[in-house]
Amino acid sequence: DQQVKQNSPSLSVQEGRISILNCDYTNSMFDYFLWYKKYPAEGPTFLISISSIKDKNEDGRFTVFLNKSAKHLSLHIVPSQPGDSAVYFCAASGGTSYGKLTFGQGTILTVHP
Amino acid sequence: EAQVTQNPRYLITVTGKKLTVTCSQNMNHEYMSWYRQDPGLGLRQIYYSMNVEVTDKGDVPEGYKVSRKEKRNFPLILESPSPNQTSLYFCASSLREQGSSYNEQFFGPGTRLTVL
Repeated sequence: DQQVKQNSPSLSVQEGRISILNCDYTNSMFDYFLWYKKYPAEGPTFLISISSIKDKNEDGRFTVFLNKSAKHLSLHIVPSQPGDSAVYFCAASGGTSYGKLTFGQGTILTVHP
Repeated sequence: EAQVTQNPRYLITVTGKKLTVTCSQNMNHEYMSWYRQDPGLGLRQIYYSMNVEVTDKGDVPEGYKVSRKEKRNFPLILESPSPNQTSLYFCASSLREQGSSYNEQFFGPGTRLTVL
């Protein structure tokens, strides 16, 4: 039972354009959402997060949008850069299990020069 | 430098031969966790620990053991590894602040385990 889903295994965009990565969840107990970025041979690193009381959070080129009614969140990267090429994981936290992250399957982003 | 370290980074072993993957963090974090990453499944939690001597099962604990005798260390033990435990393993740690439902987790570099 995949509670967090990233339905696009890969995404390819041109440098300078917008990258939009999507994530859907099913558990209404989730109250905190995060995006992690992972390069090959490295561990995931935290990118940006959003609490369920907000619908948008920005950090430089990265913006996360949360639509609670649709149980959907998205990560926008503008403008995309070749160094953004990585695997992006959506993750959710909440409910009774402190600190536990439930991850999506990941989306491979490739930004072409 | 604040970091989570794991050893070994790569390991090839045979079915049934006990092994331990070590994890250590230097950030004085209370919370530590182990995940495995498999294609098409993302990262799944194996075990976690809220503090010294406090551990609990995650989503996929079968075939694994952990211990938390010191705050900085959280080893993952495979008593009798099997081929379905071939995976990429990550250790993570975070603070555990009262009143906060979540704190950012810091991940180690990963251990790629192959069980033949």
